[in-house]
Amino acid sequence: SQKIEQNSEALNIQEGKTATLTCNYTNYSPAYLQWYRQDPGRGPVFLLLIRENEKEKRKERLKVTFDTTLKQSLFHITASQPADSATYLCALGRDNAGNMLTFGGGTRLMVKP
Amino acid sequence: GAGVSQTPSNKVTEKGKYVELRCDPISGHTALYWYRQSLGQGPEFLIYFQGTGAADDSGLPNDRFFAVRPEGSVSTLKIQRTERGDSAVYLCASSRTAGINEQFFGPGTRLTVL
Repeated sequence: SQKIEQNSEALNIQEGKTATLTCNYTNYSPAYLQWYRQDPGRGPVFLLLIRENEKEKRKERLKVTFDTTLKQSLFHITASQPADSATYLCALGRDNAGNMLTFGGGTRLMVKP
Repeated sequence: GAGVSQTPSNKVTEKGKYVELRCDPISGHTALYWYRQSLGQGPEFLIYFQGTGAADDSGLPNDRFFAVRPEGSVSTLKIQRTERGDSAVYLCASSRTAGINEQFFGPGTRLTVL
């Protein structure tokens, strides 16, 4: 069956360091992958989208990579700040599936000052 | 501009009752999605609409769950004979089209079935 794995343990890092979150998948052939941020009591907020033919995408302090051979995406936040503390969700989508997303369980990031 | 809104924000009901959850998407967005999120887990797809029609309802867990979007805007998720296992946060999202683009999520409705 399809499986999307994100580290369920919280990631604790020091302010200013780079946070790296991992999303691994099995039994799935996504055409694209999205990353969302979710704060407690709120809905997810879109951050980045990367397609299967793209290796890397950047947006300000954020960078996403997508390796379809390893079946993995890495999400990086450089120069992390306490305000980056949240849960980060990866979501996979297929072509011709109406942008229906399959989400991982999320990884909680805590950035300490 | 206004984002996706959901009402009520919280709903407490008793086992066996019927509930309706409402979603107001961003104006002009043709695609609308319902997800369910349990504590500590990611959102789980339920159903999506392209316009007025349900394009994919494969995520609905059973026939107690039903959703409508009669005019292609507001959507209502209906749950009959609620069970304690239905307790979760129900999230609604909309996007400009059902193509590959970002989804805008509402704050969710927290449903508690006693």
